[in-house]
Amino acid sequence: NAGVMQNPRHLVRRRGQEARLRCSPMKGHSHVYWYRQLPEEGLKFMVYLQKENIIDESGMPKERFSAEFPKEGPSILRIQQVVRGDSAAYFCASSPPSGINSYEQYFGPGTRLTVT
Amino acid sequence: DAKTTQPTSMDCAEGRAANLPCNHSTISGNEYVYWYRQIHSQGPQYIIHGLKNNETNEMASLIITEDRKSSTLILPHATLRDTAVYYCIVRRPSGGYQKVTFGTGTKLQVIP
Repeated sequence: NAGVMQNPRHLVRRRGQEARLRCSPMKGHSHVYWYRQLPEEGLKFMVYLQKENIIDESGMPKERFSAEFPKEGPSILRIQQVVRGDSAAYFCASSPPSGINSYEQYFGPGTRLTVT
Repeated sequence: DAKTTQPTSMDCAEGRAANLPCNHSTISGNEYVYWYRQIHSQGPQYIIHGLKNNETNEMASLIITEDRKSSTLILPHATLRDTAVYYCIVRRPSGGYQKVTFGTGTKLQVIP
């Protein structure tokens, strides 16, 4: 059973470009979470999605950031017009639907975004 | 979710038990204690969780005090690969929704 997959693992963008980060949850998982980790800091929650629905986006910056989790395909975190301050590691996590073991959250390896 | 307090850093000799404390004095009755760790440059890894009974799995043991205001994660025989930041998190499960709020954690250094 493959774990949470994220790609690309490393992404370099120039200021003003768009960044697209992809996350494929574990098989059978219907909940996806995105976190951001700035250098030397802890993880900060950004957004929680279920298939085709954004449930909690309280941690998302108000502008330039968006997320989706379509019926088919991976979850996408999109950052428009990137700035140097967006440079960070972005982690995706998934968990199964409600029920036994739904409390465990499995993280992907992260995407390291560098804005030059 | 209740706030947790952990020491910033700890050292442990290789082969010895690593005991990582966590204070969660404002924990409420239905909140669980979770532990995750993050090895450098990797995604966080779930370790263990518990409500009020002590728990053990293949990775670690979790000891929760009777009043549930603190807990200790025990790595019975620490290896160099256990060097990581360990996060103690307290949260109330809400169906399948489990936004996890990470603090700064404890940086555990296992020394040869």
